[in-house]
Amino acid sequence: GNSVTQMEGPVTLSEEAFLTINCTYTATGYPSLFWYVQYPGEGLQLLLKATKADDKGSNKGFEATYRKETTSFHLEKGSVQVSDSAVYFCALSDRGGGATNKLIFGTGTLLAVQP
Amino acid sequence: GAGVSQTPSNKVTEKGKYVELRCDPISGHTALYWYRQSLGQGPEFLIYFQGTGAADDSGLPNDRFFAVRPEGSVSTLKIQRTERGDSAVYLCASSLIGGTTGELFFGEGSRLTVL
Repeated sequence: GNSVTQMEGPVTLSEEAFLTINCTYTATGYPSLFWYVQYPGEGLQLLLKATKADDKGSNKGFEATYRKETTSFHLEKGSVQVSDSAVYFCALSDRGGGATNKLIFGTGTLLAVQP
Repeated sequence: GAGVSQTPSNKVTEKGKYVELRCDPISGHTALYWYRQSLGQGPEFLIYFQGTGAADDSGLPNDRFFAVRPEGSVSTLKIQRTERGDSAVYLCASSLIGGTTGELFFGEGSRLTVL
């Protein structure tokens, strides 16, 4: 079945460092791919998405490119801030034969940014 | 507020007891999802509603778990004869039906602890 694998954390970086969180997927068909973020004490929220191969999703300085040839959707940011400290989840939409938005999530990666 | 609301935020119960968790989705969102998140794991799909009907309940772990959405808005997740392994954060999400964005809007979750 469809699945998502993302790098384990925690990832600890200093402010202004470059961030990469790896995510690879297994899926039949052409799923949409997502990064969700969970800040301390808050619910999961969508960070960015890409719906087809070679699409780049971007938001708040974060980027991820849908790579069909490597089945990857790695999250990157050029210069992290303390406020980026959160848990990041990679996900794919398991649309099956219908129009549901059922998501399959990775295990999450905790990012801790130190001043 | 206009977001997804879940109650209670925390529930402690004893093994064997019955528990109800409530979700109030964003107004106008006809799709509603329940997920379960165990410690150190990503959210795991439980059930999806289109309006009043459960369109996909393939994630419910066994017949102790049941969910309803009688009027197509508020949903209740019901767990009978709770077990210690049911301890987790139960997340509710809503979205526009048939949407192609794949964005789910999550509540902050109900943390269930079974002693």
